[in-house]
Amino acid sequence: EAQVTQNPRYLITVTGKKLTVTCSQNMNHEYMSWYRQDPGLGLRQIYYSMNVEVTDKGDVPEGYKVSRKEKRNFPLILESPSPNQTSLYFCASSRTTSPPSYEQYFGPGTRLTVT
Amino acid sequence: KQEVTQIPAALSVPEGENLVLNCSFTDSAIYNLQWFRQDPGKGLTSLLLIQSSQREQTSGRLNASLDKSSGRSTLYIAASQPGDSATYLCAALDPSNTGKLIFGQGTTLQVKP
Repeated sequence: EAQVTQNPRYLITVTGKKLTVTCSQNMNHEYMSWYRQDPGLGLRQIYYSMNVEVTDKGDVPEGYKVSRKEKRNFPLILESPSPNQTSLYFCASSRTTSPPSYEQYFGPGTRLTVT
Repeated sequence: KQEVTQIPAALSVPEGENLVLNCSFTDSAIYNLQWFRQDPGKGLTSLLLIQSSQREQTSGRLNASLDKSSGRSTLYIAASQPGDSATYLCAALDPSNTGKLIFGQGTTLQVKP
C-alpha cells in the first residue's frame, strides 16, 4: 500500500531533550516536506526537500533540523525542544513539484507535547 | 502573497442533502488546488487535485471545480452521509517552486442522520 508513515504518533517530552520524528514514504517520491498544524494558524511548512541531499527552509524553520540521506526518509529533528513547539506535525511527499504538479500525500501526523 | 480562505468555518446539514464547500484564493497564479479531508486527530486524506489548466475533477460523490479568474474553488458533495462528517481543507500549490501548499482554515462539516 502506497503510504507516508510517521513515528512516533504521540510524544510527550520535556524542554531541552533532543528528539527525532521519523518520516518514510514507499512511493519513490522525490519531494518531501514537514508541516505543523496549530489552532488558529493552520498548517505551515517547516522544511522541504526536493531530492536526496537537497533541503531548504520553509516558513517556520526555527528550532528544527532535517536531513535527506535516503530518498524514502526525511526525519525531523528538534535539538532542544521548547513548549512553543507543541503541535501536530505532518510529513508529506509528492512525485515532484515541477509542473505538471502532482498530488501530495500526507502522513498520519505526530502529536508532540513539550512540557 | 497567496492567501486561501474557506467560508463557512462550520456547516451542519441533514443526511442526503447535496452541499457545496467554498474555497477562495487571492493570487490566480497557482499550479494546482488540492482538497483534503481531516478526521479529528487524524492525518490529511487527499480527495481531489485540480491542475491549473483544468476546470473540474470528479471522484465518486465528490466534484471539485476551479475558476482561476475569480479566485474560487468549490467542492460539491452529493447525497451527503454521516460518514462525510470531517474537516475539509483546500490548499493551493504556491508557484514559488518550494512545493509549499497554502492551506485554508478548513470547513468542519457535520452530517446529521
